Amino acid sequence: AQSVSQHNHHVILSEAASLELGCNYSYGGTVNLFWYVQYPGQHLQLLLKYFSGDPLVKGIKGFEAEFIKSKFSFNLRKPSVQWSDTAEYFCAVKNYGQNFVFGPGTRLSVLP
Amino acid sequence: SAVISQKPSRDICQRGTSLTIQCQVDSQVTMMFWYRQQPGQSLTLIATANQGSEATYESGFVIDKFPISRPNLTFSTLTVSNMSPEDSSIYLCSVEVADYEQYFGPGTRLTVT
Repeated sequence: AQSVSQHNHHVILSEAASLELGCNYSYGGTVNLFWYVQYPGQHLQLLLKYFSGDPLVKGIKGFEAEFIKSKFSFNLRKPSVQWSDTAEYFCAVKNYGQNFVFGPGTRLSVLP
Repeated sequence: SAVISQKPSRDICQRGTSLTIQCQVDSQVTMMFWYRQQPGQSLTLIATANQGSEATYESGFVIDKFPISRPNLTFSTLTVSNMSPEDSSIYLCSVEVADYEQYFGPGTRLTVT
C-alpha cells in the first residue's frame, strides 16, 4: 500500500526565512501529488497539485513544489515565509484507482 | 469548488452513546469521504460514501461502529456508535471534484468522556 512520509514534525522559522518541507511517497507508477494546508481553526484547503507535465508546480500564496520522480519526492517550498503561513501542512498522494493517502503533517511556526 | 458544512461543529458525549454527524455540500457530488483526524496526527480515511451504493470501509473500520448514510448527492451522515474515549477525534467530511481535488468540511470535534 502507498505510504507518505514527511521529514519534519515541527519547523520553526523567522519571518522572511526560506522554507522547504520534505515529502516522500513509497512507490511509483502514475501518481497525483498534493499539498494541503490547515491554518489554525480552519479547515483543510488545497495549496497545489501535480498531475503531469512541468515538475515544478506553483500554488497559492507563493508556494511551489517540485516533483522528482527518481527520488519519489514532492517537496514544498516558499522563498520567504510570513507569520500568516503558520499552519499544518499535509502532503497527499493519490494513485489511479486508489484513495488518497495523507502524510503525517508538518507543523510550521513562523515567528514574527 | 465545493462548500461543505458539518453539524455539529463539536460535541462532548458520554461513553456508550452514539453521535450522528451531518455533512452538507452546496453542489451535487458523486464521491464523499469520511476521515478521522486524531489530535496531532494525520487524516485517516474511514470510508467512501457514494450515492446509491453501500459505503466502502477502510481496514480497521466497520459498518457496525461507523454506519454511513448517503441518501442523495449533496448529503451524508456518519454515526459513531457505542462511543469510547478512543473515539475522541475530529471527524471530517470531504468531497472529490474534478481532477481528484478534495474539498473538506470544517470538521466535527468529538470528545468522549
